[in-house]
Order: sequence, then C-alpha cells, then structure tokens
Amino acid sequence: DTGVSQDPRHKITKRGQNVTFRCDPISEHNRLYWYRQTLGQGPEFLTYFQNEAQLEKSRLLSDRFSAERPKGSFSTLEIQRTEQGDSAMYLCASSLAVNANYGYTFGSGTRLTVV
Amino acid sequence: DAKTTQPPSMDCAEGRAANLPCNHSTISGNEYVYWYRQIHSQGPQYIIHGLKNNETNEMASLIITEDRKSSTLILPHATLRDTAVYYCIVRYNSGNTPLVFGKGTRLSVIA
Repeated sequence: DTGVSQDPRHKITKRGQNVTFRCDPISEHNRLYWYRQTLGQGPEFLTYFQNEAQLEKSRLLSDRFSAERPKGSFSTLEIQRTEQGDSAMYLCASSLAVNANYGYTFGSGTRLTVV
Repeated sequence: DAKTTQPPSMDCAEGRAANLPCNHSTISGNEYVYWYRQIHSQGPQYIIHGLKNNETNEMASLIITEDRKSSTLILPHATLRDTAVYYCIVRYNSGNTPLVFGKGTRLSVIA
C-alpha cells in the first residue's frame, strides 16, 4: 500500500466552474477525512466518513461543497460554482476507527487555484 | 477539545536537540496530546501522542508535565529534513472527534 493518494495534485480553474477531487485512502482504513488549508494556516476540518456514511460536516462546508464515499473506499469532493476564496490545499486523510491512537495518514493534497 | 498555545516560530542548529513547547492549560483528564508535523508541500504527518507518561518513539520524545498543562516535543538530533510546521493538538481519544489544527510552530533547522 502506497498510502493515501489524492488526484489531481494541482488544479487551476476559472471562477464559476465545478471541480472534483479524488482521494484513495489506505485500503484497510474505514475512516476518511477532508480538510482545507490556506496559506499560513493549519488544516481546517471539512467532513469525515466512516465507511460510506458521512458522519460529520463542518459549517465550513457550504452548499456548494459535496463529498461522497459511495462504496466505502475512495471519496470525491466536489465544489460547484467555484469562487476565488475556494483557492486552497485540499487534504484527505484516513484512519482506522478502532485505532484512533495511531493517528491519521494524510495524502499530499490537491492544490486548487481559482482564477 | 482543549485549546493549545504554541510559539509561531523557532530556530534550531543542525545536530542539536529541538525542544518545541505547547501549553494546554485547560486540558481535561481524558484528553490526549498529539503532535503532527507538516513539511512544505506535504500533508501532516503523525509524530507521537501521550496521555500522562512521557513517550518516545523513533521520531521524537514527548514530555508531559505532571499537571498536564504543558508538554514539550523533543527531536533529539535535528536535521535539515526536520524543518517543518509542528502542530500540538489536544483531543479525546474516542476517535469520534476529528483533529483540530491550530497554526503550529514553524521550526527552522539551520546548518
């Protein structure tokens, strides 16, 4: 297993366009998390899944954002009608729910630039 | 989860020990102290965590004061590759609450 994979690594889009990011977690991990990080700030929690169920959503996750994990494996994060304020690094992490002791494994992120 | 306070930045000479402090004066009895770091252009990486006792692994040592109101992450022999932002996080270990990151400490290891 090569860890948590995110695709694409970089995305440049025009304001108003829709974008979709993909995250492939570590295969045996049943929890998957999405975070957003802007320059100079720590990662901010957006949402998380246990298997295919979305258990928590941050108030940061506006109606333009939607996340899915249809088969409890990979996840997608879609942003509709992108705005310049959406420019950020989007990070995905996974963990074992029963092994919270050992922390999250993060991917390298998708850097979104809205022009 | 309790709030943590960390210095915004620190320098350390290569080969010396890096001691990164964290204050968490409102920590409750069931909350653990976690440390992560984030090297430029990468996602955060888990380092170590602890509840009361000092902990050591291949990456670092974690020293928690007896009253648990503060802790120190120690990198015993810092290298240039340890240059990163280090995050101290306090969290219940139930696993049901997501990690909440602050701004962390930017550690610069200098040759």
